[in-house]
Amino acid sequence: DTEVTQTPKHLVMGMTNKKSLKCEQHMGHRAMYWYKQKAKKPPELMFVYSYEKLSINESVPSRFSPECPNSSLLNLHLHALQPEDSALYLCASSQGDRIYEQYFGPGTRLTVT
Amino acid sequence: GNSVTQMEGPVTLSEEAFLTINCTYTATGYPSLFWYVQYPGEGLQLLLKATKADDKGSNKGFEATYRKETTSFHLEKGSVQVSDSAVYFCALSSRGSYIPTFGRGTSLIVHP
Repeated sequence: DTEVTQTPKHLVMGMTNKKSLKCEQHMGHRAMYWYKQKAKKPPELMFVYSYEKLSINESVPSRFSPECPNSSLLNLHLHALQPEDSALYLCASSQGDRIYEQYFGPGTRLTVT
Repeated sequence: GNSVTQMEGPVTLSEEAFLTINCTYTATGYPSLFWYVQYPGEGLQLLLKATKADDKGSNKGFEATYRKETTSFHLEKGSVQVSDSAVYFCALSSRGSYIPTFGRGTSLIVHP
């Protein structure tokens, strides 16, 4: 199984809402990532978890809060977002802290109204 | 620091034409190189990779050779299909850091 799953596929939320994005992988990967992707741009790294610990936070605003409940799951909690946060949010995983390729999920298309 | 430069798109081709998408890189040490593809409405998929100089990665008719002397990893396909229409990202990862650096992406449009 080389699949990374993400839910929901689409999300529309108001600026006062609280919502969560979910990501799951069953490949035994020990590194998991959140990316933000705007149209026609490469993905921008937001967070990295390595062995279930947050290892990289790319100066992401606190309205985005990541969580890694176990080695297979990754959440991104959203609160008080801005319209400019509308984007495709991608989850990815890789084997660990070596030079390995990443496996991406299909993404969550987020619209903030 | 690391960087990846890709040719600007879109690249527009007719079906069965030959494809080249140029990618050059700057990195310390000996990076691993990757091509990812993103079809409309989907996430990125690894297309091929090469981990050392002169390695050739290949998949689904696409090929790319790791050229250390020219710091390049150009993507080629001999005969493109309409289904190859997508955005292609060149990327690298350096030893000691598992965070990839992505190029800007090149959009490929293939007409019947």
